[in-house]
Amino acid sequence: GEDVEQSLFLSVREGDSSVINCTYTDSSSTYLYWYKQEPGAGLQLLTYIFSNMDMKQDQRLTVLLNKKDKHLSLRIADTQTGDSAIYFCAEKEAGTALIFGKGTTLSVSS
Amino acid sequence: SQTIHQWPATLVQPVGSPLSLECTVEGTSNPNLYWYRQAAGRGLQLLFYSVGIGQISSEVPQNLSASRPQDRQFILSSKKLLLSDSGFYLCAWSSSEATGNEQFFGPGTRLTVL
Repeated sequence: GEDVEQSLFLSVREGDSSVINCTYTDSSSTYLYWYKQEPGAGLQLLTYIFSNMDMKQDQRLTVLLNKKDKHLSLRIADTQTGDSAIYFCAEKEAGTALIFGKGTTLSVSS
Repeated sequence: SQTIHQWPATLVQPVGSPLSLECTVEGTSNPNLYWYRQAAGRGLQLLFYSVGIGQISSEVPQNLSASRPQDRQFILSSKKLLLSDSGFYLCAWSSSEATGNEQFFGPGTRLTVL
């Protein structure tokens, strides 16, 4: 069945780049997403990439997609303390549902 | 612009009591609607989704039920809560017309069952 895997924790220093990795199993996924969840809050859609793209950049965020290896990454440049949150990778399966990973907790120290 | 509301924000209920969580969406018509649960230290689990009034799909067998009495209203219910029902409940919507199925989440309800 479909599954989305992420590492659970990442710790970086303020100003460094953060790279959060994700692997998925459904090769028919058409869209892949990154969501951010701050403590006690709902999920905020950060960005998404269509499966026929290799890269998408949006200000400090860069998404890389390796469809052959089913690997997705989110790079945050110049990481700030306000970037500390849980980041979820998700893939769109057939129909309307999204499959989410368990989330990566990003901790940014000053 | 579209907005999504959930209430209550927090809830503490005894085991065996009933539950009703409400979610409403503004600024769009005929949205797809979703209920997720996020247990402590775990990812999101899709509980229910709905593509229209009265149309509910259940993803996992459980103690909960969902209803969609109006186009932009989604309700999560239980007749008798279990301890294992504790968690953070998130409602989400997506456009039925968009191909990307970006989902937009509400602020969530923190449910503690004692």
